[in-house]
Amino acid sequence: GAGVSQTPSNKVTEKGKYVELRCDPISGHTALYWYRQSLGQGPEFLIYFQGTGAADDSGLPNDRFFAVRPEGSVSTLKIQRTERGDSAVYLCASSFSGARSDTQYFGPGTRLTVL
Amino acid sequence: LAKTTQPISMDSYEGQEVNITCSHNNIATNDYITWYQQFPSQGPRFIIQGYKTKVTNEVASLFIPADRKSSTLSLPRVSLSDTAVYYCLLGSNDYKLSFGAGTTVTVRA
Repeated sequence: GAGVSQTPSNKVTEKGKYVELRCDPISGHTALYWYRQSLGQGPEFLIYFQGTGAADDSGLPNDRFFAVRPEGSVSTLKIQRTERGDSAVYLCASSFSGARSDTQYFGPGTRLTVL
Repeated sequence: LAKTTQPISMDSYEGQEVNITCSHNNIATNDYITWYQQFPSQGPRFIIQGYKTKVTNEVASLFIPADRKSSTLSLPRVSLSDTAVYYCLLGSNDYKLSFGAGTTVTVRA
């Protein structure tokens, strides 16, 4: 079946603008995660959804970052007043139930560039 | 979260076996060890997971000594397409995957 998909694959924006990044998880997966990966580093956890609710948003760097998953499937990561330091690859992953034994399947990411 | 240490980079040639060792001196009793692989412009992909001794699948083997303070990912007979970054992670009851900088493996013809 289809894997995790993310759109757009690339996003270039100007400092101060608002952006939305979309994630389509694997069908039937109740758990969804967002990570951010800076150049030369491993991914860093941002937020975890179990169904429609954000079970853990402790990785969001500040209140400019927000994510939703209104119907328990597609998720949108929203960044307000973007800053150059927000430039990174934003990765989405999903797993079947969120149990620690579940494998997380990652999408290809969205490369965000803030000019 | 327990910390892992792995080499920054490794070079190899096609057909050779590549062994990447990860140190985790402070591993907790309930931590398991997981390895992910990441190709350029792709998200990480699960390779293998283990708790102790040896685990083998169609992609790799994972060797974990009795003290569990380190683990070695073994990639048999690598090809050019195995060029990637390999991450060693520890986890217990936490869904938050904690990635380090990983090991960049470059396979040359």
